[in-house]
Amino acid sequence: DAGVTQSPTHLIKTRGQQVTLRCSPKSGHDTVSWYQQALGQGPQFIFQYYEEEERQRGNFPDRFSGHQFPNYSSELNVNALLLGDSALYLCASSIDRGQNYGYTFGSGTRLTVV
Amino acid sequence: AQSVTQLDSHVSVSEGTPVLLRCNYSSSYSPSLFWYVQHPNKGLQLLLKYTSAATLVKGINGFEAEFKKSETSFHLTKPSAHMSDAAEYFCVVSGIYGRGSTLGRLYFGRGTQLTVWP
Repeated sequence: DAGVTQSPTHLIKTRGQQVTLRCSPKSGHDTVSWYQQALGQGPQFIFQYYEEEERQRGNFPDRFSGHQFPNYSSELNVNALLLGDSALYLCASSIDRGQNYGYTFGSGTRLTVV
Repeated sequence: AQSVTQLDSHVSVSEGTPVLLRCNYSSSYSPSLFWYVQHPNKGLQLLLKYTSAATLVKGINGFEAEFKKSETSFHLTKPSAHMSDAAEYFCVVSGIYGRGSTLGRLYFGRGTQLTVWP
């Protein structure tokens, strides 16, 4: 049973560029959340997608946007990259918006902005 | 608002000795609480969760945690540490349902790095 799959695992971008990260949720899961984990910090909530809509958003600028597809997979897009966007980006999936069953996390995408 | 405070950024123990990782939480409602573990270059793995059932929660790999409402604590323990337990541990509280719902949003502590000496 495949868990949460994220791609790519690593990438390097230049300041000002745009990046798209992808996530396939665990089979049977319908909710996807994205988190940013800076070095030495706990993950910070970016946003949550459920039924193809953004349901919640954390304190991240509009440069961060996302999408959820009918098959529940999701993308995270970041425009106009800054050095401070360098981080591990984690995707998490669940059912019932994580209320009772918690979340399953992927291994993350390590983004380096130079 | 929900938040967690992990009281120790680093904990070092010898293999075979007990482990205690401390966590205090703040929540305006009955919280759901979790402990996650993160091994180097890996994603987060759920160790255990508390969702208002038994206050002593047993998780994987011999870990357990006790929910103490009076102390607003959710400390993680293990009777005997193993070398494979060395990792980063995160205490997490979940958002709540209701006005301004943050349902399903997870609030992470800053993490506790556990080192296990042979």
